[in-house]
Amino acid sequence: GENVEQHPSTLSVQEGDSAVIKCTYSDSASNYFPWYKQELGKRPQLIIDIRSNVGEKKDQRIAVTLNKTAKHFSLHITETQPEDSAVYFCAASSGTSYGKLTFGQGTILTVHP
Amino acid sequence: DVKVTQSSRYLVKRTGEKVFLECVQDMDHENMFWYRQDPGLGLRLIYFSYDVKMKEKGDIPEGYSVSREKKERFSLILESASTNQTSMYLCASSFGQPNTGELFFGEGSRLTVL
Repeated sequence: GENVEQHPSTLSVQEGDSAVIKCTYSDSASNYFPWYKQELGKRPQLIIDIRSNVGEKKDQRIAVTLNKTAKHFSLHITETQPEDSAVYFCAASSGTSYGKLTFGQGTILTVHP
Repeated sequence: DVKVTQSSRYLVKRTGEKVFLECVQDMDHENMFWYRQDPGLGLRLIYFSYDVKMKEKGDIPEGYSVSREKKERFSLILESASTNQTSMYLCASSFGQPNTGELFFGEGSRLTVL
């Protein structure tokens, strides 16, 4: 089955800095890669996703890049703000019709004012 | 707004008890999921369902069962709770293909098994 590794497990940055979270996956058939953000005490919510026919996708201050050859994808947050502090999860689909979405271990991002 | 509602936010049960966690969604989504969230382990899929009365095992189905008698409701059952099932349980629903659609999560049910 699919295996997703996420690094780092914790990340601390100053407000205004950039933050990068990296994930690798094992199943070359995976074709969908979402990122979820979970604020303290709240439910995870989708913030951005990318499909295998696209190498990069951007939405305001967040961007995701995908390298299918190397089987890794990354989340980039620019000009970080304190409200970006949360746990971020990457995920990858197994690629089959009723396949499973496998999540990474999560990254706790703290943005210091 | 999509709403996924989990019946209990906090539960405390004793070892060996049968536990029911209920989830209801109001957006007519075909797919429903149960995840377990533990620190450092991310979200692990227990079971999912892509249609009424249909279910598929996830990555960690042992010790759990599910029921989906109506489209909007998906129940997670712990037949005989054990201490290693102490965790946060998250229900989610989605539209379309189960592995490629946005997941809408409930607020979670924190279960403690003593």
